[in-house]
Amino acid sequence: DGGITQSPKYLFRKEGQNVTLSCEQNLNHDAMYWYRQDPGQGLRLIYYSQIVNDFQKGDIAEGYSVSREKKESFPLTVTSAQKNPTAFYLCASSIPRSRPGELFFGEGSRLTVL
Amino acid sequence: AQRVTQPEKLLSVFKGAPVELKCNYSYSGSPELFWYVQYSRQRLQLLLRHISRESIKGFTADLNKGETSFHLKKPFAQEEDSAMYYCALIQGAQKLVFGQGTRLTINP
Repeated sequence: DGGITQSPKYLFRKEGQNVTLSCEQNLNHDAMYWYRQDPGQGLRLIYYSQIVNDFQKGDIAEGYSVSREKKESFPLTVTSAQKNPTAFYLCASSIPRSRPGELFFGEGSRLTVL
Repeated sequence: AQRVTQPEKLLSVFKGAPVELKCNYSYSGSPELFWYVQYSRQRLQLLLRHISRESIKGFTADLNKGETSFHLKKPFAQEEDSAMYYCALIQGAQKLVFGQGTRLTINP
C-alpha cells in the first residue's frame, strides 16, 4: 500500500523536551515537506527537502530541525527552543519536476506540550 | 511577498444552492494556483489546479489575473462537499503557500 506514513498520531511531551516526528514515504518521490497546521492560520511550511542530504528552511523553521539521510524518510525534531509547539504537523511529498504543486499528505501527527 | 488570502473562515450553504469559496493572491509573475480539500477523517488532497482547467466533483476555478482571484465554484452543493478547503500558490518550483482555509458546511 503506497503512501506517506506519519508516526506517532498523537504525542505528548513535557516542556523542555525534544521530540521527533517520523515521516516515511514509499512513493519514490524526490521532494518532502513538513507543514504545521493551526486553526485559522492554514498550513505553514517548516522545512522542505528536494533531494537526499539537502533541505531548506520554510517560513517558520525556528525551533525545528530535520534530516534527509534517505529518500524515503524525512523526520522532524521539535526542539525545546520552539516556543509554541502544540500543533498538528503534516508531512507531504511530491515529484516537483513532473507534477509541481501536487503534494501527497500523510495523516498528520498531533503534538501536545503539557 | 507571495500571499494567499481566503477571507471566509466558515461558509454554510444549503444543499442544492450554489457555492463560491473565495481566494485572492498576491504574486509577482505568472501564478500557478491550486485548491486542496480535506474531508472529515481523510488526508488533505489536491482538488484541482488552474492550469488543468478541469472540473472535479463539479467544482471549477478560474484564474482572474485582473482581480488576482481564484475562486472555487460549484453550481449545486451536495452534502458530501462539506470539508475544509485550502487555496494554494506555488512559489518557485517547490514551495506551496497555503491560505488560511475555509470550512464549508452543506446543510440538508
